[in-house]
Amino acid sequence: DAEITQSPRHKITETGRQVTLACHQTWNHNNMFWYRQDLGHGLRLIHYSYGVQDTNKGEVSDGYSVSRSNTEDLPLTLESAASSQTSVYFCASSPSVGNIQYFGAGTRLSVL
Amino acid sequence: QKEVEQNSGPLSVPEGAIASLNCTYSDRGSQSFFWYRQYSGKSPELIMFIYSNGDKEDGRFTAQLNKASQYVSLLIRDSQPSDSATYLCAVQAGNQFYFGTGTSLTVIP
Repeated sequence: DAEITQSPRHKITETGRQVTLACHQTWNHNNMFWYRQDLGHGLRLIHYSYGVQDTNKGEVSDGYSVSRSNTEDLPLTLESAASSQTSVYFCASSPSVGNIQYFGAGTRLSVL
Repeated sequence: QKEVEQNSGPLSVPEGAIASLNCTYSDRGSQSFFWYRQYSGKSPELIMFIYSNGDKEDGRFTAQLNKASQYVSLLIRDSQPSDSATYLCAVQAGNQFYFGTGTSLTVIP
């Protein structure tokens, strides 16, 4: 079955370190998204991509970057992790703009 | 003003009752509207989507959209304890998706 997977599921890191969260989907969806979810803020869009080599900033992109070299993967990189980036991160994919988004299981990141 | 507003709840209803969840949005150009359910510690899963004004029914769930009032709602009939979760309203405006903070629903047996 097609799916979307995130790894790792849990990550603990130290302030200032570079961290990369992986997202891989096998639906061949053009669109992929990264969100963070925090109490009181709901899901907030970090970055999104509408195809290979396309990346766009979302509502809370500062301190994060993404690259899209193929259809299946959209890794999220925290260049220099900060305690404010402790959160649950969700990756999602969608076949087209305005269509249903399907979510991965999430990555819980703690920055100490 | 947030793009998507929901009452955070918690909303409690007895088993078998109708649960009514509400969402307002600020961008009049919004085109697509979604309701997701999220159990504690899990990822959001789609319940309903609606694109046109009016009602859309799927089993025990009904989504209602009123673009003039910038209002979308979700009705859950014959509520079950398994419906206890947080319900997220999502709106597509232009190239971006906006989620509300969610409404926590508890169905009391």
